[in-house]
Amino acid sequence: NAGVMQNPRHLVRRRGQEARLRCSPMKGHSHVYWYRQLPEEGLKFMVYLQKENIIDESGMPKERFSAEFPKEGPSILRIQQVVRGDSAAYFCASSPLPDFWNTEAFFGQGTRLTVV
Amino acid sequence: DQQVKQNSPSLSVQEGRISILNCDYTNSMFDYFLWYKKYPAEGPTFLISISSIKDKNEDGRFTVFLNKSAKHLSLHIVPSQPGDSAVYFCAARTGGGGADGLTFGKGTHLIIQP
Repeated sequence: NAGVMQNPRHLVRRRGQEARLRCSPMKGHSHVYWYRQLPEEGLKFMVYLQKENIIDESGMPKERFSAEFPKEGPSILRIQQVVRGDSAAYFCASSPLPDFWNTEAFFGQGTRLTVV
Repeated sequence: DQQVKQNSPSLSVQEGRISILNCDYTNSMFDYFLWYKKYPAEGPTFLISISSIKDKNEDGRFTVFLNKSAKHLSLHIVPSQPGDSAVYFCAARTGGGGADGLTFGKGTHLIIQP
């Protein structure tokens, strides 16, 4: 049973380009969370999605950031017109139940985004 | 405003001794607390959790203690082993069935010395 798969592992973008980060949850998991870890910081919640629905995006920056979790395929975190401050590690987590009621929510290995 | 605080960025402990990692929180609405362990270049992995209705939860070498009045929790690892060297994140969740994600501390880098 494969774990949460994130790709790419490393992504380099020039300022102004778009970054697309993908997350395939564990099999049977329909709840996906995205977190961002800035250097020397803890993980910060960004968005919580279920299939075809954004449940809570209170942690998402208001501009340039969007997320989706389509009926088929991975969840996508999209960052438009990237800036240097977007450089961070982006982690996706999935669980079969909402709100981490299942304590063993699983994290992917993360995508390290570097904006040059 | 940091709602979950891990004030020790790093901690060095001798192999075989007890490691104690501390975490303080400010939000009284938190009702569930978790510890995650993270190795470099990997995602966090769940370690142990505790509900706010308990004051202690034990799993093998890992014990988490919760002091609600002090808004403080700690993770005890005994005996400490070299493989325990990692960054440990304290995380908390609010109750009420809300859809909030977890709130994480900044982490403590635990180094187990041989």
